[in-house]
Amino acid sequence: AQKVTQTQTSISVVEKTTVTMDCVYETRDSSYFLFWYKQTASGEIVFLIRQDSYKKENATVGHYSLNFQKPKSSIGLIITATQIEDSAVYFCAMRDDSGYNKLTFGKGTVLLVSP
Amino acid sequence: NAGVIQTPRHKVTGKGQEATLWCEPISGHSAVFWYRQTIVQGLEFLTYFRNQAPIDDSGMPKERFSAQMPNQSHSTLKIQSTQPQDSAVYLCASSLGGTGVNQDTQYFGPGTRLLVL
Repeated sequence: AQKVTQTQTSISVVEKTTVTMDCVYETRDSSYFLFWYKQTASGEIVFLIRQDSYKKENATVGHYSLNFQKPKSSIGLIITATQIEDSAVYFCAMRDDSGYNKLTFGKGTVLLVSP
Repeated sequence: NAGVIQTPRHKVTGKGQEATLWCEPISGHSAVFWYRQTIVQGLEFLTYFRNQAPIDDSGMPKERFSAQMPNQSHSTLKIQSTQPQDSAVYLCASSLGGTGVNQDTQYFGPGTRLLVL
């Protein structure tokens, strides 16, 4: 069975700095897909960025980037130049390549960005 | 483009009553997913439809929970004889459902917060 673990419960940073959130996963599949989502204070869950396991290059979207370390089964999210509005809960998720497209989520990391 | 629509946004039921939750996926998306979010369990998969057909219901409680997708524009999650432990945020998500690149990315609705008293 798949498992996604986010060990950091919460992180506090000052705005305009860079933050890294950790995520490790477990799967028996050779092909899999990793996602990061953000849940805002209103409860809205927003897709941020993804990494497909067969791609060696780390994904980057805006001020989000990933640190994909396949041998360590790790997919870290890096947010550069953080802003107050980045304060949210960040979830790491994975789906396998079985055709059953459900996502398995980690427990989330709370990010608080202060002035 | 409108996102995933869920109604109602909040629902309060008494123990033993029935609750029906509605989801309208993004137009053109053929895959619809239901998840449940609680403080203790986090985000859990419930069930998945593709082209209106049920594909995977491995996360659905065996009793009292059922889901349907009668047409491509809406899906329902029904909970019979609701219990306090059913209190949660129920989230619907949709994706393009194809096999091409990025067609599996799921986009979430705002959720329905169910409270069973």
